[in-house]
Amino acid sequence: GAGVSQSPSNKVTEKGKDVELRCDPISGHTALYWYRQSLGQGLEFLIYFQGNSAPDKSGLPSDRFSAERTGGSVSTLTIQRTQQEDSAVYLCASSLAGRETDTQYFGPGTRLTVL
Amino acid sequence: AQSVTQPDIHITVSEGASLELRCNYSYGATPYLFWYVQSPGQGLQLLLKYFSGDTLVQGIKGFEAEFKRSQSSFNLRKPSVHWSDAAEYFCAVELPGANNLFFGTGTRLTVIP
Repeated sequence: GAGVSQSPSNKVTEKGKDVELRCDPISGHTALYWYRQSLGQGLEFLIYFQGNSAPDKSGLPSDRFSAERTGGSVSTLTIQRTQQEDSAVYLCASSLAGRETDTQYFGPGTRLTVL
Repeated sequence: AQSVTQPDIHITVSEGASLELRCNYSYGATPYLFWYVQSPGQGLQLLLKYFSGDTLVQGIKGFEAEFKRSQSSFNLRKPSVHWSDAAEYFCAVELPGANNLFFGTGTRLTVIP
């Protein structure tokens, strides 16, 4: 079946603008994760959704970052008032039920460049 | 401090040669262990994982990894590297009860003819 998809694949924005990044998880997967991959910080966890439970937001770097997941499927990561240090590749992953033994399947990522 | 360490930033091997990529972790309990590969412009793909049991795990693409508790290591190996193996390799851990993976900084593999 189809894998995790993300859009856009590339996004260039100006400092101070808001951006929205979208993730479509694998159908039937109840767990969804956002990670960020940057030169300075490597791969770091941002946020985790599991079913209807409250999301784990412990990895969000500032209150400019937020995410939602509508209908338990598609997720949107929003970055407000973007800064140059937000430039990174944003990766989304999904897993069947969020158990540690469930494989996380990653999308191709969205490359965000903040000018 | 809790960490996942991949001491080799970049490794170059000849095609057909053997490969070993190192990974060490520092956590109070034994975490679940993973190796992912990322090819240019691609997402992360799981190569193999270890949760318990046999400490030598087999993965896709001819890769294997061995968990050594005494050394807190989970090194990735392949007996004969192919040019298509050139990519970035990430070791990752997940702590029991946690919601996310913690990644090492990655090792970039170059394969020369």
